[in-house]
Amino acid sequence: AQSVAQPEDQVNVAEGNPLTVKCTYSVSGNPYLFWYVQYPNRGLQFLLKYITGDNLVKGSYGFEAEFNKSQTSFHLKKPSALVSDSALYFCAVRSTGFQKLVFGTGTRLLVSP
Amino acid sequence: KAGVTQTPRYLIKTRGQQVTLSCSPISGHRSVSWYQQTPGQGLQFLFEYFSETQRNKGNFPGRFSGRQFSNSRSEMNVSTLELGDSALYLCASSLELVNTGELFFGEGSRLTVL
Repeated sequence: AQSVAQPEDQVNVAEGNPLTVKCTYSVSGNPYLFWYVQYPNRGLQFLLKYITGDNLVKGSYGFEAEFNKSQTSFHLKKPSALVSDSALYFCAVRSTGFQKLVFGTGTRLLVSP
Repeated sequence: KAGVTQTPRYLIKTRGQQVTLSCSPISGHRSVSWYQQTPGQGLQFLFEYFSETQRNKGNFPGRFSGRQFSNSRSEMNVSTLELGDSALYLCASSLELVNTGELFFGEGSRLTVL
């Protein structure tokens, strides 16, 4: 069975500092990994995905994520946080065989001015 | 290109009633998925449809059902509503039924059961 863990309910960072939102996964077979962001009272917006290839994936709004197969992790990063990055972030995984997309419980990112 | 459209955006029902939620996917998208989002449980997968056929189903009781029409529009129905059904119901569409494609989400239908 597929599963995703986001160990931090909330991450606090000051504007201008780098940020990391952690995600680990468990699948059988090759993982297809995704990050989504949700702003208040809105649906989820796609940020980036890892399918194959380079372990460092670049996405929207300056975000990037690093795929680490040995640690089964896919942490979301940004070199310099903005107050407008404050939102709820979801990691998700899908494996081969047309399985459903499974989401983590979400991490609330709070960027202070 | 219009995004995923969900209607209604907000609704209030009482226990025992039923509700139907509608989702219009992005034009050309043939796969539609439904998720329930609650503060305690996060995002829970309900079902996924492709070409009018249910392809995947989550662990929800039979009170939750859905369907997809030939134009890819989808509806989900919840019968005999319970207080615990209060949630944000999110619909997402994708181009094809493939593992590598990202989902495009609507803004959700917020259901409150009194």
